Amino acid sequence: DSGVTQTPKHLITATGQRVTLRCSPRSGDLSVYWYQQSLDQGLQFLIQYYNGEERAKGNILERFSAQQFPDLHSELNLSSLELGDSALYFCASSPRGAPRETQYFGPGTRLLVL
Amino acid sequence: GESVGLHLPTLSVQEGDNSIINCAYSNSASDYFIWYKQESGKGPQFIIDIRSNMDKRQGQRVTVLLNKTVKHLSLQIAATQPGDSAVYFCAETPPFSGGYNKLIFGAGTRLAVHP
Repeated sequence: DSGVTQTPKHLITATGQRVTLRCSPRSGDLSVYWYQQSLDQGLQFLIQYYNGEERAKGNILERFSAQQFPDLHSELNLSSLELGDSALYFCASSPRGAPRETQYFGPGTRLLVL
Repeated sequence: GESVGLHLPTLSVQEGDNSIINCAYSNSASDYFIWYKQESGKGPQFIIDIRSNMDKRQGQRVTVLLNKTVKHLSLQIAATQPGDSAVYFCAETPPFSGGYNKLIFGAGTRLAVHP
């Protein structure tokens, strides 16, 4: 158990809908990362937050957004969902979000868009 | 749980044998590398890391080797056990990451341990 929690574990929705994925980092970690893992593309970095502020963006679509709250939990919002958005979404955390810090991953949310 | 990467390369080994999982990384200037293990239905789990100023690092039953000349990373698992069956990913931190902790993941290798 990494100490990172994610909810829900599974999510089934329809195209065009909007969903929110939630992540709580390890105790004491200030930085949160979101990744998408699809069958044909491996783990893709989406976005990083540090202490409530966006730190870095990766391959995140404009239909997706995220935020980190004062209590350090983070939410990833996915809107206008398409079939291709079906994937595993992982959250990771690290103490300060500095280069070469180990990122600890949560169990993931499995999203299925029908 | 649902399989990740159905078309991943697979390494099949007998229980008790040593396993070697290889990874070619992309950026010759990357300065930090990590191996993660992902079991079915779970998130990636940190195994071991190595900085670019080292060639070798050992953990418990695992050893990571770094060959910067050919941009190659390997993970050696001694006395492989059924619980080692998983998908293994290497990840690198490229240079000039802008002060943030960017990781680029490889495609992964599936390790299947047979009794």
